[in-house]
Formats: sequence, C-alpha cells, structure tokens
Amino acid sequence: NAGVTQTPKFRILKIGQSMTLQCTQDMNHNYMYWYRQDPGMGLKLIYYSVGAGITDKGEVPNGYNVSRSTTEDFPLRLELAAPSQTSVYFCASSDRRGGGTSTDTQYFGPGTRLTVL
Amino acid sequence: QKEVEQDPGPLSVPEGAIVSLNCTYSNSAFQYFMWYRQYSRKGPELLMYTYSSGNKEDGRFTAQVDKSSKYISLFIRDSQPSDSATYLCAMLHYGGATNKLIFGTGTLLAVQP
Repeated sequence: NAGVTQTPKFRILKIGQSMTLQCTQDMNHNYMYWYRQDPGMGLKLIYYSVGAGITDKGEVPNGYNVSRSTTEDFPLRLELAAPSQTSVYFCASSDRRGGGTSTDTQYFGPGTRLTVL
Repeated sequence: QKEVEQDPGPLSVPEGAIVSLNCTYSNSAFQYFMWYRQYSRKGPELLMYTYSSGNKEDGRFTAQVDKSSKYISLFIRDSQPSDSATYLCAMLHYGGATNKLIFGTGTLLAVQP
C-alpha cells in the first residue's frame, strides 16, 4: 500500500492564480482531511469528508474548496491564490466505521509546499 | 485561550537523556490524547495514544495523561539522534460525525550525538 499520496510536492503560484492539490489514499478509508501547517501554528483543519459526496468545513476554510467524488480522492482547490495561503498542506485519512470507540488514527501524506508570490 | 497549548522549544538534549514533552488543554470533553512525530519535511505519524488518565508505555516512550490537571506528557528514555523531530500533541473529542483532532503547535526536539 502506498498509503496517502499527495501531488505536487512543491509549487510556486502567482497571486490570483488557481490550482488543485491532489490527494489519494489506497486504504479504503472513509474519512479524509486537509490541513495546513504554518510555522509555530500547528496543524489547522481546512476541510474534511466523511465519505464520497459528503464534505464539511473545518477551522480555516476560506479561500479553498473541496470535492469528494470517490472514496480514494480528495482534491483541494485554491481559486484565487493569496500570499496568506503560503503554507505546507497535508492530506490525511482515517478509517471510522461502525459504532463503539475509535482512536481515529489519521494517516498523513508527505505534504505539498505552496508559495504564493 | 487556545484549546491546546504546547511549548514550541526548541529542546536540545544529549544522546541518552530523558526527554519530557508536555501539553496542556482547556476542553474537558477531550477523550483521546495522542502524540504525533513529524520528521523534517515529512507528514506527521502517530506515535502513541491514550484514552484515560494514567500511563501507557511503548518501548522507550511513555505517554502520561492527567485529566484532573488537563495535562499530558510524553517521556522518551535513552533518547537517540533518530528521535530528533517535531512532536505534536493532539486531542480528540469523539462523537457524531465531527471527529476532529485539535493539534498543539509542536515541540522541536534535537538529540545531540
């Protein structure tokens, strides 16, 4: 299993450009997440999805959009890039099925480093 | 007040030292407490988790939770240069569809050979 893969690894955008960060997982996990990590700020949740066709906002959703048409893929879209979106973006997935307690172990991808100039 | 507070460090120790990493939290609804390790330019990976107050040991690592004080710790015994990484605490309020982790800011640890 490759786990969670993200592309691209690095990207430089100009202000106002758009792009899609790709995320794919091969573990058949139902939950998927997008985080951004800024120096000294920890990980902030942007959007998450509990299954194909279902997405919801996290803590910092402004300026981003997501879709989840399949279990495996969860792309993150930046429509009008701004310098404030310079960050490292991590995709994660977890398997939460059935009832009972769960540690909800989240498996992270290697990240995409985005710079907006 | 942040829900989770973590000393950012950096923390530099000699090889073989005992390391103590700590987080405090304000939300008494948190039920699961986790430690993630993140190597430079990599994604975080789960190191340990605990559910209740008390200690949990895994090799050289011990996770400790004190719910009455809202304080968690990760101890690393006989620290190795390979332990050099950023350690993030994370906390989970389990319930419903919104199963979100709240992360601390991370502590950068350097173990000097």
